[in-house]
Amino acid sequence: DAGVTQSPTHLIKTRGQQVTLRCSPKSGHDTVSWYQQALGQGPQFIFQYYEEEERQRGNFPDRFSGHQFPNYSSELNVNALLLGDSALYLCASSQPTGEETQYFGPGTRLLVL
Amino acid sequence: AQSVTQPDIHITVSEGASLELRCNYSYGATPYLFWYVQSPGQGLQLLLKYFSGDTLVQGIKGFEAEFKRSQSSFNLRKPSVHWSDAAEYFCAVGAYGTNAGKSTFGDGTTLTVKP
Repeated sequence: DAGVTQSPTHLIKTRGQQVTLRCSPKSGHDTVSWYQQALGQGPQFIFQYYEEEERQRGNFPDRFSGHQFPNYSSELNVNALLLGDSALYLCASSQPTGEETQYFGPGTRLLVL
Repeated sequence: AQSVTQPDIHITVSEGASLELRCNYSYGATPYLFWYVQSPGQGLQLLLKYFSGDTLVQGIKGFEAEFKRSQSSFNLRKPSVHWSDAAEYFCAVGAYGTNAGKSTFGDGTTLTVKP
């Protein structure tokens, strides 16, 4: 049983560009959450997708947007990249039973130059 | 609003010694609590979780944690540390109800293990 997978593993962009990160949830999971982890800090919640809709959102600007597909996979899009967007982006999935255990992917390391 | 504080940024212990990592949380009701471990360049691995019931919870790799409501704490312990335990450890509080699935993390504690 594959766990949560993310692609790409690493990415380098320049300021002002746009980026798309991808996540496939663990089998049987229908909820996907995205987190940003800056160097030396804990993960911060960006948003969560359930039934192809954004269900919750953290304190991130509208430059951060997402999408969930019918197969429950998800994308995170960031527009107009800033140097401060450099971070590890983590995807987490959970199952629809109400238990709130999230399983994390290995992350995508984004560097903005 | 929920929050998590991990007071120790960095802890160094000798291999074979006991370990305790501190975690204090702020939440309006009974929280869901988690401990995760992260090796360099890796994602987060769940060590253990508390939802309800017995306040002493056992996890993987010989870790345990105790939920103390009166102290708003959820400290992680291990009786004998192995060199492979060197990593960063994160405590998190999870919401339920309308905020289900939104976890708030502390800033982590880096564990160094001396031979």
